[in-house]
Amino acid sequence: AQRVTQPEKLLSVFKGAPVELKCNYSYSGSPELFWYVQYSRQRLQLLLRHISRESIKGFTADLNKGETSFHLKKPFAQEEDSAMYYCALYGGATNKLIFGTGTLLAVQP
Amino acid sequence: DAGVTQSPTHLIKTRGQHVTLRCSPISGHKSVSWYQQVLGQGPQFIFQYYEKEERGRGNFPDRFSARQFPNYSSELNVNALLLGDSALYLCASSLDYRVSPLHFGNGTRLTVT
Repeated sequence: AQRVTQPEKLLSVFKGAPVELKCNYSYSGSPELFWYVQYSRQRLQLLLRHISRESIKGFTADLNKGETSFHLKKPFAQEEDSAMYYCALYGGATNKLIFGTGTLLAVQP
Repeated sequence: DAGVTQSPTHLIKTRGQHVTLRCSPISGHKSVSWYQQVLGQGPQFIFQYYEKEERGRGNFPDRFSARQFPNYSSELNVNALLLGDSALYLCASSLDYRVSPLHFGNGTRLTVT
């Protein structure tokens, strides 16, 4: 079954600390993985996708097929990073994104 | 950039009623997807439409239906509303049916009493 697991509902860090939001997936083929972010009072928006291999707002994510993980990382958290983060898997055949339950990142001053 | 627009923003219905939610995609986007987001959960896929044809369907009962119009706007219909249908309904558009970056609207908050 296709599934995305985000084990942490809440991650609280201090400004300047490193951040790692965990995401594990279950998929038998070659997945496409995404991170979406929702800032307070804003719509859900794409943060990054693994095929782009880019860094957005200082965030990076590497697909680890061996560990079936796609963790989101940032070396130094900023207060403006506080938001809800969703990991999502595109299964291909079903033309749908499967979202995890989300992790709320709270960056304390 | 007008973005994806959804209407209405909020809606209160009673059990057994019917509801229609509307979505206008970003100009040039031909694919519209619908997601349901229950409090505390991630968005769950309901439907995807591309060029007025259904391209994908999630695990939702037949009470849920949708359609896409020639101008690529879309409607989501839910019949015989249940309390459990209370959720945020998100519409997302993309250039084509294969998931390119999805652009989400602000959603319609449906409350069923």
